[in-house]
Amino acid sequence: ELQLVQSGAEVKKPGESLVISCKASGYSFSSYWISWVRQMPGKGLEWMGRIDPGTSYTNYSPSFQGHVTISADKSISTAYLQWTSLMASDTAMYYCTRRHYYGSGSYNDYWGQGTLVTVSS
Amino acid sequence: EIVLTQSPGTLSLSPGDRATLSCRASQSVSSSYLAWYQQKPGQAPRLLIYGASTRATGIPDRFSGSGSGTDFTLTISRLEPEDFAVYYCQQYGSSPPITFGQGTRLEIK
Repeated sequence: ELQLVQSGAEVKKPGESLVISCKASGYSFSSYWISWVRQMPGKGLEWMGRIDPGTSYTNYSPSFQGHVTISADKSISTAYLQWTSLMASDTAMYYCTRRHYYGSGSYNDYWGQGTLVTVSS
Repeated sequence: EIVLTQSPGTLSLSPGDRATLSCRASQSVSSSYLAWYQQKPGQAPRLLIYGASTRATGIPDRFSGSGSGTDFTLTISRLEPEDFAVYYCQQYGSSPPITFGQGTRLEIK
């Protein structure tokens, strides 16, 4: 069964660092881009960035560039989202999602269950 | 950046009604890269429609998508109780490569 399983909820203080993970199973991890999506409390979906696990090539939304780092370890089929200095405004649910490409199109077909990150002093 | 604007922000309807949700892009979007997602409270988004009009696996045929260029529509022909949720359109294109609309909340009247 194809799954994206994310790490558990985190409670952190401003200025702390954090890495959350997304473990893929049931498909060839290196063959599909993984994106991270933020959802702040009561708000909509925001695309943060993506990684090609096969090459570790990344690109980011300008809104998130420089504030987060996306990485992947294809040997363990896991993608990561990292912060070096959290802010209260990083409090949100974070989803990983797989991008499926076909012929002339693409879409996000599988989603992790989400990781809730709470940043509070 | 391509901005997707969804309307209405909230749609209040009754089970059995027909729902029409709009997604307008600030510039032309390839239909191949326009998708719709449904999100229920406490759940991850779920793919409904891709390629503007193709239902994802397991999606009931009361859901349909249409449109091209800058105007896209998600239609739910007869609302079931489980359809009340938030719906997002998404496009894939130029930098940033992926953007979402702000969402339409479909609520029970």
